[in-house]
Amino acid sequence: DTGVSQNPRHKITKRGQNVTFRCDPISEHNRLYWYRQTLGQGPEFLTYFQNEAQLEKSRLLSDRFSAERPKGSFSTLEIQRTEQGDSAMYLCASSLISPGIGGNYGYTFGSGTRLTVV
Amino acid sequence: SQQGEEDPQALSIQEGENATMNCSYKTSINNLQWYRQNSGRGLVHLILIRSNEREKHSGRLRVTLDTSKKSSSLLITASRAADTASYFCATVYRMDSSYKLIFGSGTRLLVRP
Repeated sequence: DTGVSQNPRHKITKRGQNVTFRCDPISEHNRLYWYRQTLGQGPEFLTYFQNEAQLEKSRLLSDRFSAERPKGSFSTLEIQRTEQGDSAMYLCASSLISPGIGGNYGYTFGSGTRLTVV
Repeated sequence: SQQGEEDPQALSIQEGENATMNCSYKTSINNLQWYRQNSGRGLVHLILIRSNEREKHSGRLRVTLDTSKKSSSLLITASRAADTASYFCATVYRMDSSYKLIFGSGTRLLVRP
C-alpha cells in the first residue's frame, strides 16, 4: 500500500456531462475526506466518511454532487450535469484517527483529479 | 470563516536563506498543521502542533504557535530549490460532535538556486 490513489489524474468533459472520480485510501484508514481546490486557493472541505457512513457534507456539495463509500474501502465522487464552475482539483485524503484526537499525524492526500469542464 | 490566513501570499528567496511563513486563525483550535503542495500535486503533511505546545521542530522545519495571538509561523532553515512549493496551514477545531480540518489560502514559496 503506497498511499492514497486517485483516478483519473485528469478529466476533461463537456458541460452537462456526468463525471465520476475514484479514491482508494490507505487500507488501514477508516476515515476518508473529499476536498476541492481551485487555482491559488487552499482545499475546501466537501464531505467525510467514517467507514461506509457519510457523516458530513459541506454546503459546497450541491445536489449535483454525490459521494459513496459502499464497503468502507474506496470512494467515488460523482458530479452530474457538470458546469464550468466545477472545474477544479478534487482531492481525496484519508486518516486513521480523528484529526483532533491523539497522535501527530495529519491527513494523507492523494495526487488529486483535475477536472476541466469545457 | 474559520480558515487560517497565511502571510505572505508569495515569498521569493535565495537558496540557503531562511523562509518564514505566518498563519492567523479566528477561533480556538485543537491543533494546527502545516502542509506542502508541489504544483499540480496533492498535499503532504509536514508537522502538527497541539494547542498546548509552543514550538516544534522537524529537520529544517520549526513551527511556533501563539494561542493568545491566534497565530503560527513556519520557518524553513537553509532553504533549497526543492523547497519551492505552496505551504498551507490547516486548523483543527471542534464543531458539534466532530473535529474539522480547515485550510488557509497558502503561501507560494520560490527558492531561487
